[in-house]
Parts: sequence; structure tokens; C-alpha cells
Amino acid sequence: GAVVSQHPSWVICKSGTSVKIECRSLDFQATTMFWYRQFPKQSLMLMATSNEGSKATYEQGVEKDKFLINHASLTLSTLTVTSAHPEDSSFYICSASSRGSNYGYTFGSGTRLTVV
Amino acid sequence: GQQLNQSPQSMFIQEGEDVSMNCTSSSIFNTWLWYKQDPGEGPVLLIALYKAGELTSNGRLTAQFGITRKDSFLNISASIPSDVGIYFCAGLQGGSEKLVFGKGTKLTVNP
Repeated sequence: GAVVSQHPSWVICKSGTSVKIECRSLDFQATTMFWYRQFPKQSLMLMATSNEGSKATYEQGVEKDKFLINHASLTLSTLTVTSAHPEDSSFYICSASSRGSNYGYTFGSGTRLTVV
Repeated sequence: GQQLNQSPQSMFIQEGEDVSMNCTSSSIFNTWLWYKQDPGEGPVLLIALYKAGELTSNGRLTAQFGITRKDSFLNISASIPSDVGIYFCAGLQGGSEKLVFGKGTKLTVNP
């Protein structure tokens, strides 16, 4: 089945530093990757949509200069949280889709970011 | 942004009981997906529905795509402790690749 690998699973960083999160589709080519943020006891909030080789499309209210997304290949997308602040602490989850046979959206295992 | 109306918000049941949860919307959806999320993990796809009226099973789980295309339900039969988690419905509307999520149903199963 479709597998999406997300790393790291957790990270602690100091305020002002940048953190990169990777999302890889292991056994399929992802035409589109999505990045979500999830606060405790809440649903997933879409941050941005990225297609391979093109600029990401950010949702309203999401700062594109703060959350840099790179989708360099059909199997890899990265989210970089720049100049992190404590309020950026959250659970970040990626998802990948391919307009293939199952047309399902497969999620990564998430990254718990804590900014101290 | 848009969100699906998912209910109930939480459920506390005894092991062996059946469970039912549903999602509704004022808009039509072309695809309904049901996910389960364990603490500290990403959502895992349980069932995908692509056609109005479709009824699909996955083990003890059964889900249906409402005939009006505005709702879906998920049933879990003979619940077991490992069914504990948060269940999310998600939908896709025509022409959009962005999933719309429900707020989730937190399921607690007492042994």
C-alpha cells in the first residue's frame, strides 16, 4: 500500500533557529503533497499545497516566508519553519496524493515541534 | 475554512458494543474518507468511498456514502480496546484536491 515517511518524528529547537521537516512517498509518486498543522484536541488545519516543481499554494493566514515548502521531486517535499518561535510549537503532518488507482490521501506519521 | 459536521464529538463505550458516527455537510462531496488517528501519529485511512450510495466494509468497520452526497457514516462493530482513538471524516468536492475535515470523534472503549 501507499506509504508516506515523515522525519523527524519530533524535534526541539531554540527560538530563532530553523527546522526542516521531510516528507517522502516511499512506494508511489505523489503528484501533490499537503502540509497540515494540528493543535491539541483539534482537527487538521491545511497550511499549504505543493505540486512537484512549482511553488506551493498557501492557505489564507499562513506566512509563506515563515513556512518554506520545497517540492523538489515526485517523492519528496520539505517544510522549513524559519526563525521559529514558541507559538510555532505544534504537530505538523504531511500528506501525499496521487491520482492513481485508489485516489486516497496518505498521511505521514507527523512531527512534534517544540520551540524553547 | 470549511469543515464537515461530525458527531458525536466523543463516545465512551464498553468493549463489544457497536459504534456509529457520522458526518454531514450542506455541500455535495464526491469522495468521503474515514481516518483513525492515534496519539502522536498521523491519520491512517480506514475506508474510502467514491460513489453515492456506496457501502464499504473493512473488517469490523462499515462506511456508507450518503445518497444525497452530503453525508457519510462509519460503523464499528464489536468494539475492542485497540479501537480507541480519534476518528475523522474527510471529503473532497468536485474540482478540488483539498480535503475538508470533520472535527473528529474521540472514541474510548472500556474493557
